[in-house]
Amino acid sequence: LAKTTQPISMDSYEGQEVNITCSHNNIATNDYITWYQQFPSQGPRFIIQGYKTKVTNEVASLFIPADRKSSTLSLPRVSLSDTAVYYCLVAPRDTGRRALTFGSGTRLQVQP
Amino acid sequence: DTGVSQNPRHKITKRGQNVTFRCDPISEHNRLYWYRQTLGQGPEFLTYFQNEAQLEKSRLLSDRFSAERPKGSFSTLEIQRTEQGDSAMYLCASSRSGATGTGELFFGEGSRLTVL
Repeated sequence: LAKTTQPISMDSYEGQEVNITCSHNNIATNDYITWYQQFPSQGPRFIIQGYKTKVTNEVASLFIPADRKSSTLSLPRVSLSDTAVYYCLVAPRDTGRRALTFGSGTRLQVQP
Repeated sequence: DTGVSQNPRHKITKRGQNVTFRCDPISEHNRLYWYRQTLGQGPEFLTYFQNEAQLEKSRLLSDRFSAERPKGSFSTLEIQRTEQGDSAMYLCASSRSGATGTGELFFGEGSRLTVL
């Protein structure tokens, strides 16, 4: 499974845009990049998934360069409620026997 | 609520006792996963079922741990002779197999175990 590297923590203020970068140098051809969000005492929640270029949904944008060795999760105009841990995962879409592997994630702290 | 349901949400037990957690996945999901999460760490994979078949087990799953999914619906995770190191949040997730879709895992809120 492709190993991912992301910052341990980040701080931001309300209203700012937050970009969290994840490195995945050994990403395989059939791997997708998926981000999950986790609040304290809750299970992780899917945010966004992409394969290449840019993906945007109502929550975030995901930017993936052509070489796919990294990706950036962009959270526009964060609020206090975006304080959470964000995990970057790399795996085939239909994981089947290859269970999703979570790293330690990035702890985002949003301050007023 | 049609999400993943886990019970109990909290369990405090004494070392050496057995505990059992239950997970009810989203009804149309045929895949079910158990993860364990300790403070400050990401979820660690324990085991995975497709329907009633247990297809993968992590080396983290010692002989004291057993998981079942007898009818391919709900699942139980039992820990025998609990140790203080078993204290953690036990997370269950489910998903639907198939080439379409994102392969997204839907997690429950977890069962927190404290071993005294």
